[in-house]
Amino acid sequence: DGGITQSPKYLFRKEGQNVTLSCEQNLNHDAMYWYRQDPGQGLRLIYYSQIVNDFQKGDIAEGYSVSREKKESFPLTVTSAQKNPTAFYLCASSRFPGFNNEQFFGPGTRLTVL
Amino acid sequence: AQKVTQAQTEISVVEKEDVTLDCVYETRDTTYYLFWYKQPPSGELVFLIRRNSFDEQNEISGRYSWNFQKSTSSFNFTITASQVVDSAVYFCALREAAGNKLTFGGGTRVLVKP
Repeated sequence: DGGITQSPKYLFRKEGQNVTLSCEQNLNHDAMYWYRQDPGQGLRLIYYSQIVNDFQKGDIAEGYSVSREKKESFPLTVTSAQKNPTAFYLCASSRFPGFNNEQFFGPGTRLTVL
Repeated sequence: AQKVTQAQTEISVVEKEDVTLDCVYETRDTTYYLFWYKQPPSGELVFLIRRNSFDEQNEISGRYSWNFQKSTSSFNFTITASQVVDSAVYFCALREAAGNKLTFGGGTRVLVKP
C-alpha cells in the first residue's frame, strides 16, 4: 500500500543529544514537509522540500536540520540547539506543482526530552 | 500574511446532535485553497476536503457538509447526526496559490458522548 511511514513512533532524548526522525514515502510525491505540534495547538511548519537536494526553512526552523538526498526520504534532525524539542512531529508529502496537492500525513513521532 | 482562526477550542455534544466548527481565514491572495483535516487520537491527520477560492458551492459528503462564504472569509464544517467515532481534533488550513505551504488553525477538539 502507498503511504508515509515515520519512525520511531516514540523517541526519548537526553538533553544535549541530537536525534534523527525518519520519514519515508512511496507515493512518488515531489514535495515533503515536517511539522511540529505542541499540546492543544495547531501544526507549525519546520522545513519543506519541493525537489530532491533542495529544501527551505519553514516558520520554526531554528534548532532543526533536514536533508533530501532521495525523493522518498526526508529525515529531520533535532539538534541540541533546539531548546524545547518535546513535541509531536508529523511528516507530510504532496504532489508538486499542481492544484491537486493536498498533503498526506504520516502517523507521527512523539519526541520527549528527559 | 495568511492566518487561520478556529475560535472554538473544544466542543462537546451528545451522539446524534449536529455540530458546526467555525473557521475564519485571512489572505491577500485572490486565489487560494482551503482544507479541513481530521486528527483522531492515533495522531495521523486525515484529509477531508479541499475547496478553491473561486468555487463557492457548498459541499455535502455523507454526514459532513461545508459552507464556504468568501464575503465573510469563512469555511465552516458541520457534522450531522454526530457519532462517537467523530471524536477527534479538526483542523482548518489555508494554502495560497503562490506557494505550497499550509497554514493551520489551532484546531477544534470535538468530543461526542454516547
